[in-house]
Amino acid sequence: ETGVTQTPRHLVMGMTNKKSLKCEQHLGHNAMYWYKQSAKKPLELMFVYSLEERVENNSVPSRFSPECPNSSHLFLHLHTLQPEDSALYLCASSQTRGPAGNTIYFGEGSWLTVV
Amino acid sequence: AQSVAQPEDQVNVAEGNPLTVKCTYSVSGNPYLFWYVQYPNRGLQFLLKYITGDNLVKGSYGFEAEFNKSQTSFHLKKPSALVSDSALYFCAVRDVDSSASKIIFGSGTRLSIRP
Repeated sequence: ETGVTQTPRHLVMGMTNKKSLKCEQHLGHNAMYWYKQSAKKPLELMFVYSLEERVENNSVPSRFSPECPNSSHLFLHLHTLQPEDSALYLCASSQTRGPAGNTIYFGEGSWLTVV
Repeated sequence: AQSVAQPEDQVNVAEGNPLTVKCTYSVSGNPYLFWYVQYPNRGLQFLLKYITGDNLVKGSYGFEAEFNKSQTSFHLKKPSALVSDSALYFCAVRDVDSSASKIIFGSGTRLSIRP
């Protein structure tokens, strides 16, 4: 148990579908992240929310739409995805600043397959 | 600019032997350094971090890492490998003056422990 819970763990969707990934953190952190992990590629930071405000959006296509209703919850809304979007999507959380390095803690990930 | 390098894609070790997974980094200021482990079909799990102080850092599952400022390295070590240590290991770095979201991950090293 990492303190960061992601659902669903596995998702298969068609290119015309709309679905959402959900993340909840129980660590009292004030920042949440979405990362994409694809085979043979470095870990890609997609979005960062700090105090519920989006502070980073790393050139992610608009077919990915994040939502952070409060500091404990983060969603990634998916629509009209492409097969190359198939990957492991990792949610993470941390404190934004302060002492002791502000470790980022990850959830177990959501495996997304676009067919 | 920050960067981190894991020069080995794969490390193979016999069970019971010592293991080392290499990591070198580059930051403009002082570094925070991290190691994460990813077991199959799981998220990244925090192992240990160097913030300041003692250059030898001890972490989970008997792992330790040594910070070497002159060589800009942070190699992960374990005195006696277990088959269950087989996983993907990521080194990460960020400058102490940057926010948590500025962390940079290495490309990962696959550790394989043979019985």
